[in-house]
Amino acid sequence: GESVGLHLPTLSVQEGDNSIINCAYSNSASDYFIWYKQESGKGPQFIIDIRSNMDKRQGQRVTVLLNKTVKHLSLQIAATQPGDSAVYFCAESGNNAGNMLTFGGGTRLMVKP
Amino acid sequence: EPEVTQTPSHQVTQMGQEVILRCVPISNHLYFYWYRQILGQKVEFLVSFYNNEISEKSEIFDDQFSVERPDGSNFTLKIRSTKLEDSAMYFCASRIQIIETQYFGPGTRLLVL
Repeated sequence: GESVGLHLPTLSVQEGDNSIINCAYSNSASDYFIWYKQESGKGPQFIIDIRSNMDKRQGQRVTVLLNKTVKHLSLQIAATQPGDSAVYFCAESGNNAGNMLTFGGGTRLMVKP
Repeated sequence: EPEVTQTPSHQVTQMGQEVILRCVPISNHLYFYWYRQILGQKVEFLVSFYNNEISEKSEIFDDQFSVERPDGSNFTLKIRSTKLEDSAMYFCASRIQIIETQYFGPGTRLLVL
């Protein structure tokens, strides 16, 4: 039968704990990576980005790690808060004319108070 | 902080009808995009637009779809004859220059009956 929709992997963490969300990408030519947060009924909200010439970038409470060898991207959220509960998508952009973004399947983060 | 805006927030239409989804990108941005997200699925690229022409489009963006920047502020997506499978959230995004982050609007939820 036809798939109705993706079953999102879910990460459930306690408030105050650190969260790590992982993403695998397939395009070796991708040179720009972004993490977006999407709350229910809203558009993707930019969190942090990283270019392929870096392997780590830090923001406020968030860190992105890039491992080009195994084509893996991760988002670390320090001291997770209830307001962090959302679906998190990684996206990649490569050497294409319009620099379109290719999104991953998403991970649902649930923060327990 | 400047934002991408979209109207309407919700649109219900009958199959076969034409719809126009409207976006106002961030004012000094030069690159414009449309993406869609079918309920429960990941965000999918439709089309990118720069310098008054399409720079890239996906397989989804067939002859039923068109985009236009009729004036200096609006960016529209037209679906000429809607199908049931066009039901989705449609997101507009913009970026200031080719290597910068894409910022997304809140989306238009389109329901085709």
